[in-house]
Amino acid sequence: DGGITQSPKYLFRKEGQNVTLSCEQNLNHDAMYWYRQDPGQGLRLIYYSQIVNDFQKGDIAEGYSVSREKKESFPLTVTSAQKNPTAFYLCASSIEGAGRQGTDTQYFGPGTRLTVL
Amino acid sequence: EDKVVQSPLSLVVHEGDTVTLNCSYEVTNFRSLLWYKQEKKAPTFLFMLTSSGIEKKSGRLSSILDKKELFSILNITATQTGDSAVYLCAVARGSNYKLTFGKGTLLTVNP
Repeated sequence: DGGITQSPKYLFRKEGQNVTLSCEQNLNHDAMYWYRQDPGQGLRLIYYSQIVNDFQKGDIAEGYSVSREKKESFPLTVTSAQKNPTAFYLCASSIEGAGRQGTDTQYFGPGTRLTVL
Repeated sequence: EDKVVQSPLSLVVHEGDTVTLNCSYEVTNFRSLLWYKQEKKAPTFLFMLTSSGIEKKSGRLSSILDKKELFSILNITATQTGDSAVYLCAVARGSNYKLTFGKGTLLTVNP
């Protein structure tokens, strides 16, 4: 069964704590992405990775960190420096991140809803 | 700055109605426009459009792109309650990996 999995589905964090959200894909996709979605807002890009051992900041990277040690995995850490972390986090992947026409389609995982208490 | 604007922001219809959702964009070096459906969690891919005037169709859903006027529409005919969702429009440009998303249109189909 090919796809993207995210865990946990729900996550509660106390202020000042770091938490890590998991994202795994078995689609053999090169590129992976993290987005944040707030109510009434579109998806905003946090980080992306076009290839293993490389990643780039998106539009709202402050307070977040990522790693890409394996092709299948792209975990996101929400640090205590993120001022307003309560949101719905979506991970996505695409065949490649080189931006060539025909490879733009990104496929999404089911998301993690993070709530800061 | 890239802009993707969807309208309306929300829409309530009755089963059987036909709806048209709009997406206008301002991006440099446009490459493609994508439509997604989001029901509670993961957005699911609907269409990718790259050429003007060519309609993409899947069942009751269809979409067309106008690159001259910089917009796309998503049509849903004979709506069903299962069509209730947020519909997201996104645009890719240049040699960039990045998709810029609109805020989405919340469609509610009442029985």
